[in-house]
Amino acid sequence: GAGVSQSPSNKVTEKGKDVELRCDPISGHTALYWYRQSLGQGLEFLIYFQGNSAPDKSGLPSDRFSAERTGGSVSTLTIQRTQQEDSAVYLCASSLVTGGRAQPQHFGDGTRLSIL
Amino acid sequence: AQKVTQAQTEISVVEKEDVTLDCVYETRDTTYYLFWYKQPPSGELVFLIRRNSFDEQNEISGRYSWNFQKSTSSFNFTITASQVVDSAVYFCALSETLRGSYIPTFGRGTSLIVHP
Repeated sequence: GAGVSQSPSNKVTEKGKDVELRCDPISGHTALYWYRQSLGQGLEFLIYFQGNSAPDKSGLPSDRFSAERTGGSVSTLTIQRTQQEDSAVYLCASSLVTGGRAQPQHFGDGTRLSIL
Repeated sequence: AQKVTQAQTEISVVEKEDVTLDCVYETRDTTYYLFWYKQPPSGELVFLIRRNSFDEQNEISGRYSWNFQKSTSSFNFTITASQVVDSAVYFCALSETLRGSYIPTFGRGTSLIVHP
């Protein structure tokens, strides 16, 4: 389909390892968002991309987290030296950007990250 | 204080009952947007509705209806004659223009369980 695609669906790794999570947004969507959802919690904003630039990184919880976006399309969220508290579902969303109007976001299925 | 409050953590109803999910928001913006999203057990969040702050008309879509009241800063969601397929977590979100990029702030969600 033409929806937001995230990979892997599930990731289990040992504490201290680095992980990379991938998001492929809907074609033509210039805005891309990463969120974290812990069990029973709402969505915690991590970072926002407009094109390839990230004007808002305010949600990244520590310097172990980083993200990039290339070609205005695919984005990668990297977590270095993972900790158990990083265990969560990481959601990616994309949207159109039109001047002066907030657009609905389209979400992927998420990556469920488990740190042992 | 939370910008978006969904005070009901979990609601349990029997099929065919009507149910209202509450959402109270807080903003200093005069122009803002409100959203509702549905997250079924499969995990993917699905957009339901967007409302801007200048449009206080209530909206009805099939069994779903939304009541936006600026006077009480509320944007409540009612499901009429609930069905088992309505079982999901429902999120209310606020996008403020002051934030520039319209990054939404999500409530913690309300888990709706509809029993047959």
